[in-house]
Amino acid sequence: DAGVTQSPTHLIKTRGQQVTLRCSPKSGHDTVSWYQQALGQGPQFIFQYYEEEERQRGNFPDRFSGHQFPNYSSELNVNALLLGDSALYLCASSLTRLTGLRSDTQYFGPGTRLTVL
Amino acid sequence: RKEVEQDPGPFNVPEGATVAFNCTYSNSASQSFFWYRQDCRKEPKLLMSVYSSGNEDGRFTAQLNRASQYISLLIRDSKLSDSATYLCVVNTGNTGGFKTIFGAGTRLFVKA
Repeated sequence: DAGVTQSPTHLIKTRGQQVTLRCSPKSGHDTVSWYQQALGQGPQFIFQYYEEEERQRGNFPDRFSGHQFPNYSSELNVNALLLGDSALYLCASSLTRLTGLRSDTQYFGPGTRLTVL
Repeated sequence: RKEVEQDPGPFNVPEGATVAFNCTYSNSASQSFFWYRQDCRKEPKLLMSVYSSGNEDGRFTAQLNRASQYISLLIRDSKLSDSATYLCVVNTGNTGGFKTIFGAGTRLFVKA
């Protein structure tokens, strides 16, 4: 049973650049949520994708955008990087089949550690 | 006021001790509650879901009080391997999706 995978594991960028992070959900899951975790803090919810649409969004600027593909995998894009965007970016998957199998229990990938210089 | 608040910690306890973590949430419409543990520089791992009736998994017991908007986690007979950060998690949403709020976490150190 494949768990949640993320790529790359580490990334170094400079201010103003753009970055794309990728996530494949756990086998059988159809919903992907993205989080930002700064050092010493709990993860902060960025947004959630289901059926290739953004369904919920946290308090993050429009520089943060995403996409979900038909195979349920997802990308997180961050434009115009700031030093403060340096963090661990976590992807979590869950199952949202509205016909009765809904579960909002989330399983996390290992994360992508982004450093902005 | 933060949407999800936890004991600031850290907690330093000897092996075998019983330790309790507390968490409060502000949104009365929240519908799902969880405890995760996170080891240093790793991803959060699901420890247990939390139900109003209370649930137990071995040495771990979780409780939810919806009226007080309060969640707890009790660890009995602490082991060295229990050392980690414990995260309280609250989901709020609708049929179209849900939003997850994490507490800042409480760090636990179990010492021999």
